[in-house]
Amino acid sequence: DAGVTQSPTHLIKTRGQQVTLRCSPKSGHDTVSWYQQALGQGPQFIFQYYEEEERQRGNFPDRFSGHQFPNYSSELNVNALLLGDSALYLCASSSVGGWEGSYNEQFFGPGTRLTVL
Amino acid sequence: DAKTTQPPSMDCAEGRAANLPCNHSTISGNEYVYWYRQIHSQGPQYIIHGLKNNETNEMASLIITEDRKSSTLILPHATLRDTAVYYCIVRVVSGNFNKFYFGSGTKLNVKP
Repeated sequence: DAGVTQSPTHLIKTRGQQVTLRCSPKSGHDTVSWYQQALGQGPQFIFQYYEEEERQRGNFPDRFSGHQFPNYSSELNVNALLLGDSALYLCASSSVGGWEGSYNEQFFGPGTRLTVL
Repeated sequence: DAKTTQPPSMDCAEGRAANLPCNHSTISGNEYVYWYRQIHSQGPQYIIHGLKNNETNEMASLIITEDRKSSTLILPHATLRDTAVYYCIVRVVSGNFNKFYFGSGTKLNVKP
């Protein structure tokens, strides 16, 4: 059973360009969350998708957008890249909790390392 | 946005217990504490989670104070492979959805 997969592994872009990162969730999972991890920092929540809709969003500008497909895979798009967007982008998959007390482990992929020059 | 604070680094001798502290003084009653670790910038891996009772699994133990304002992750017999960054996380629930708030992490150095 494949876990969470992400592509590409590494990416180099220049300022002002646009980038698309891809994520396939773990089998059986229907919810995908995206995180940005700057060097030496903890991951920061960007947004979460379920049933092809954005359900929650962190404190990120509209330049960050996403999409979820019927097969639950997801894309993260970043427009007008800035130097500060250089980071490891992590995708995590899970199942909708159903109730507050339910166990809801998020499984993380290996990440995409984005470098903006 | 950070809801947890952790020491930036700790050392531990191989074979000894590693005790990693975390402060989450603003945690609400229905918010869980999770611990993940990250090795060499790979994706974080789940260790353990809890609400208010102490928890133990095959990897670690989680001790949560009675007022829930802090917790300690215990690795009972640390090995060199336990060298990693350990994140203390507060899980915030909104309806059926969860948002994980990561701290800045503790780099655990296990030494021979």
